[in-house]
Amino acid sequence: QVQLVESGGGLAKPGGSLRLSCAASGFTFSDYYMSWIRQAPGKGLEWVSYICTSNSCKHFADSVKGRFTISRDNAENSLYLQMNSLRAEDTAVYYCARVSGAKYCTNGVCRPTSFDYWGQGTLVTVSS
Amino acid sequence: QSALTQPRSVSGSPGQSVTISCTGTSSDVGGYNYVSWYQQHPGKAPKLMIYDVSKRPSGVPDRFSGSKSGNTASLTISGLQADDEADYYCCSYAGTYTLVVFGGGTKLTVL
Repeated sequence: QVQLVESGGGLAKPGGSLRLSCAASGFTFSDYYMSWIRQAPGKGLEWVSYICTSNSCKHFADSVKGRFTISRDNAENSLYLQMNSLRAEDTAVYYCARVSGAKYCTNGVCRPTSFDYWGQGTLVTVSS
Repeated sequence: QSALTQPRSVSGSPGQSVTISCTGTSSDVGGYNYVSWYQQHPGKAPKLMIYDVSKRPSGVPDRFSGSKSGNTASLTISGLQADDEADYYCCSYAGTYTLVVFGGGTKLTVL
């Protein structure tokens, strides 16, 4: 069965850094786009970033652009989120999610439209 | 403020039907047939219930159905059960720049 297990969350100071990891199993990781989605305490969901099957295409929400980077290691079945210049508003549970096979494809480029499996999340708290 | 507008709460009795709306714009819900819905129980990860407006993933009961008219998408849950009590989030593809947007979530209470 599909499993996604996040790790790496914790307490960081404003301006600090954290690296989140997501270990995937139960499916052919290299065949799927992957994404990070976050949820601030008591709030709704916010898409953060996605990466295609290789490290060649990535996309970020405006709120994290220039501060966060996403990467993957298909040999290790792992997804990563490097978070730099952290702010208080980055405090959230960060979910690793598999992008479903149904994507929006145009001119040879495909983009996520839904997320079919999610991990349990890892909490990131940014506070001094 | 979330990009998509959902009612904060809805309620229904066991066996009844409820509908949750999700209103966007022509740049997201109205512009693409890529609306998805997620169920989230307290302290748990979201679960995909509907994708591409009205398609159900394997394992999701047919009591859950989705539709769309103009800039508003809807999730209907028929034959309400106690375990349906959860938060529900809509999501829409929103173009190559914004990519995807979520609604603020709706808390479903089964009376």
